[in-house]
Amino acid sequence: ETGVTQTPRHLVMGMTNKKSLKCEQHLGHNAMYWYKQSAKKPLELMFVYSLEERVENNSVPSRFSPECPNSSHLFLHLHTLQPEDSALYLCASSQGLGDTQYFGPGTRLTVL
Amino acid sequence: AQSVTQPDIHITVSEGASLELRCNYSYGATPYLFWYVQSPGQGLQLLLKYFSGDTLVQGIKGFEAEFKRSQSSFNLRKPSVHWSDAAEYFCAVGLDSGGYNKLIFGAGTRLAVHP
Repeated sequence: ETGVTQTPRHLVMGMTNKKSLKCEQHLGHNAMYWYKQSAKKPLELMFVYSLEERVENNSVPSRFSPECPNSSHLFLHLHTLQPEDSALYLCASSQGLGDTQYFGPGTRLTVL
Repeated sequence: AQSVTQPDIHITVSEGASLELRCNYSYGATPYLFWYVQSPGQGLQLLLKYFSGDTLVQGIKGFEAEFKRSQSSFNLRKPSVHWSDAAEYFCAVGLDSGGYNKLIFGAGTRLAVHP
């Protein structure tokens, strides 16, 4: 695998479910990001991790819980989501916090 | 507040025609500037970036962009469009937030290419 990978690519869940999104980067980068891409809205930054430490939490509701166990892996744990949380969730990584971000293919999430 | 404006939501061009996608930003200092492309069902791919130096930047797939400080613009151009260029294009500004490069994205421009 090369670049940034995300699993699953598609996810359908009910409002009472608990699920997790996974991101893995194979670029040797030190920073990782979660973005939300909703229809008709610009991409929104959700969380930023640098060397496994969270450095940004962009006013995201607590039903989204990130986890970064090491510099190659990033998770987004989901629980009691709302239908308006349906979106494409994109992961990105960069060498350092000030460097170019490289994106994964995204997870298309549908909340019923 | 910092913002990025892409005035054109949809653009349609004929294959072989030239292309210019507009991007304007609002920021007090000179930002880092990026253009990304997103094909259907895919993530974002970096086309090019401007950090400093020459204001005309060359990218992948034959794209280029020009930073114009006086107009707060970073327009993307391609002299001859190919059908495979049909996608959504995003302009982004990178803001230095205490050493952290925070990306602010425009709403995107969807490009359709007629044969």
